[in-house]
Amino acid sequence: SQQGEEDPQALSIQEGENATMNCSYKTSINNLQWYRQNSGRGLVHLILIRSNEREKHSGRLRVTLDTSKKSSSLLITASRAADTASYFCATAGGGTGANNLFFGTGTRLTVIP
Amino acid sequence: EAQVTQNPRYLITVTGKKLTVTCSQNMNHEYMSWYRQDPGLGLRQIYYSMNVEVTDKGDVPEGYKVSRKEKRNFPLILESPSPNQTSLYFCASSSLAGWGYGYTFGSGTRLTVV
Repeated sequence: SQQGEEDPQALSIQEGENATMNCSYKTSINNLQWYRQNSGRGLVHLILIRSNEREKHSGRLRVTLDTSKKSSSLLITASRAADTASYFCATAGGGTGANNLFFGTGTRLTVIP
Repeated sequence: EAQVTQNPRYLITVTGKKLTVTCSQNMNHEYMSWYRQDPGLGLRQIYYSMNVEVTDKGDVPEGYKVSRKEKRNFPLILESPSPNQTSLYFCASSSLAGWGYGYTFGSGTRLTVV
């Protein structure tokens, strides 16, 4: 399976702190994406980083990608209570796997007001 | 508003009674996909479709069928549901899957099979 793995499984921080979540994967990829899911709701696309990129920013989000280590990290700066959600990384591979996204099991983030 | 619409949001059914979960997108996306989400297992792909009349199996296709007769619709069919298909189901669409575009997800269908 190409499924990624997020680390940690759960993270609890105070409002205003930074939150860092990590993702590891097993096969070569075309791009890696991060999604947010509020409890029981649909996933929302946050950011996409291509395999030839090392870092990408979007508002308070910063994503890094290290293809040599097959890992990525998502940093949320100055967290807010509204950031409480589960965060998933998803990889899109090359070749026959190019059509599909493979999701990890997610990191549950709780931001305490 | 660009969106993926799934119906119903909640469904309780009995073992063996055929059901269909509908999915429709208004973004003219070529690619559509179905996932199921179970605790501890993340999202697993059931079926996907690259375009009209083109469908293929994902990681967990057993017990499911799909069709893609129109670009906007991608229904998920459970011919004879069983309790192990109790899950949260998501439909998603994308303009160019895997090549630089994120997926748009529906709000989910929580299915319980008793």
